[in-house]
Amino acid sequence: GAGVSQSPRYKVAKRGQDVALRCDPISGHVSLFWYQQALGQGPEFLTYFQNEAQLDKSGLPSDRFFAERPEGSVSTLKIQRTQQEDSAVYLCASSRLTRGLYNEQFFGPGTRLTVL
Amino acid sequence: DAKTTQPPSMDCAEGRAANLPCNHSTISGNEYVYWYRQIHSQGPQYIIHGLKNNETNEMASLIITEDRKSSTLILPHATLRDTAVYYCIVRVAGNTPLVFGKGTRLSVIA
Repeated sequence: GAGVSQSPRYKVAKRGQDVALRCDPISGHVSLFWYQQALGQGPEFLTYFQNEAQLDKSGLPSDRFFAERPEGSVSTLKIQRTQQEDSAVYLCASSRLTRGLYNEQFFGPGTRLTVL
Repeated sequence: DAKTTQPPSMDCAEGRAANLPCNHSTISGNEYVYWYRQIHSQGPQYIIHGLKNNETNEMASLIITEDRKSSTLILPHATLRDTAVYYCIVRVAGNTPLVFGKGTRLSVIA
């Protein structure tokens, strides 16, 4: 079946522009995560949704970052007034939800954002 | 989540076993050991996880020491396609975010 998809795969923005990154999770996956990966580093957690509820946004680096998942499926990560330090790969992951047990997170290919 | 320590890089000859170590000396009793890998330009991919018993699946084996302070991921017959960054993650069970370190960059050489 289809995996997690993300679009666009590559985005170049001028400093100060707003960008929107889309994530299509695996159908039926309740949980959705966003991660940011700087060059040469491991991914870092940004935010987590369970259905349409944003349960954890502690990893968002500033109030310029905003994420939503209005119908509990597709999610959008929006970055306002982009800065050069926002240049990174943005990864989305989804998983099923079984209370008390680990559920494998399936990752998309990521969106590489370059801010000039 | 407990902190993990991995070597930054390793080489392995194609067809040989790749043994990737991970130290997690502060692991708690309810924390699991997970392994993910990330092939160039792709998202991370789950490999295997375990609590205290050794585990094996179609991709790899996970050996956890009796005191649970370290573990080894074994790829029994490494191929060129196994070249990737391998991440060892220690965390409690449940649907919580993954905390990645820098991982080990494994290069499989023909």
